[in-house]
Amino acid sequence: QVQLVESGGGVVQPGESLRLSCVGSGFAFTNFAMHWVRQTPAKGLEWVAVISYSGANTNYAESVKGRSIISRDNTKNTMSLQIKSLRHEDTAVYYCARSSDQVGGEPFDYWGQGVLVTVSS
Amino acid sequence: DIQMTQSPSALSASVGDRVTITCRASQHVHVWLAWYQQKPGRAPYLLISQASNLETGVPSRFSGSGSATEFTLTISSLQPDDCATYFCQQYNSYPPTFGGGTKVEI
Repeated sequence: QVQLVESGGGVVQPGESLRLSCVGSGFAFTNFAMHWVRQTPAKGLEWVAVISYSGANTNYAESVKGRSIISRDNTKNTMSLQIKSLRHEDTAVYYCARSSDQVGGEPFDYWGQGVLVTVSS
Repeated sequence: DIQMTQSPSALSASVGDRVTITCRASQHVHVWLAWYQQKPGRAPYLLISQASNLETGVPSRFSGSGSATEFTLTISSLQPDDCATYFCQQYNSYPPTFGGGTKVEI
């Protein structure tokens, strides 16, 4: 069965960096675009970033653009998100999610269990 | 960005009731709309894509309709397992955006 498992969350101070990882299993990882979506009680669900099946194309939300890098290693069925210069408003549960297509233009058909990132001094 | 507005934000109904949730888009999204169910402490789960296409394994009491800017999710006969928060999401254009959610209680 399809599984997505995130790791790398925790408590970080404002201004620091964080790298989240997502490992996929149970499907042909190389055939699907992958996303990061975050959730807070105040702002709800917010899409963060997408990477195409090959890794050639990426896109970011304005809220993280310029300080984030999404990447993938299809040989290890792994996707990552690095966010620099973390802010209090980056505090959220971060989910990796699979797009039901190769480029990220379809809904998110599978989600990981989520990982909590807390930005606090 | 396309704004997605759901109503109501919460509702309480009885087992067996017909429940309808509305989602409005600030711009035309054709039929590129999905519905998700989320239970406490769990990730969202895709119920419906392309406004009305039920995903495999989703009970037939769930249905979706609409196009352009107005969409509905209907639960024809509410069951205890349906207690959850429901979100709509447009994928017509980037960035994908979500509604604020509708919490369904029994």
